[in-house]
Amino acid sequence: SQTIHQWPATLVQPVGSPLSLECTVEGTSNPNLYWYRQAAGRGLQLLFYSVGIGQISSEVPQNLSASRPQDRQFILSSKKLLLSDSGFYLCAWSSGTGESGYTFGSGTRLTVV
Amino acid sequence: GESVGLHLPTLSVQEGDNSIINCAYSNSASDYFIWYKQESGKGPQFIIDIRSNMDKRQGQRVTVLLNKTVKHLSLQIAATQPGDSAVYFCAETRAQGGKLIFGQGTELSVKP
Repeated sequence: SQTIHQWPATLVQPVGSPLSLECTVEGTSNPNLYWYRQAAGRGLQLLFYSVGIGQISSEVPQNLSASRPQDRQFILSSKKLLLSDSGFYLCAWSSGTGESGYTFGSGTRLTVV
Repeated sequence: GESVGLHLPTLSVQEGDNSIINCAYSNSASDYFIWYKQESGKGPQFIIDIRSNMDKRQGQRVTVLLNKTVKHLSLQIAATQPGDSAVYFCAETRAQGGKLIFGQGTELSVKP
């Protein structure tokens, strides 16, 4: 069966520090991968999605970037965090063929101080 | 479309009553829709999905209705239980496997 892992679960980082959040999927090949952000009490905003290694689409201009160095690995990064980067970050995957629904990881709570 | 800048509306129901959560979607070209349940501090959990060639789909205690004419989705929960308390989101995509765009979300509170 397919599983998705996100880490860390929580993170407190100072303003101006770098960020790296990792997401991996197991049990499937060539998944579509997504990064979402959720501010407290609000909806989910799509940040990046990827249909293959090295293929990244950015949905909103921001202080973040994403990379997909391996088929089942998706990384969210920043060189210098801003206070406004605080939020709940969620990784998700779907089958590229559309056979499976979209499954989310457990999320990373990022607080920039 | 994405309503990520708005605070969540809330729905309060009595335990045992039926709940109806509504969602307006934005893209008339969307052809696949999903309802998610999100508990505090956790990722969204899949509840039920529906394709655009259907107008109703039933699961265990849940029913999704799709009205393409007015671009409206609803989630009906029968005999609502305290464990149903959560935030519920609808999501749409133009093709399964494509970008999934979330609606605003509704916070459901179940009173015992």
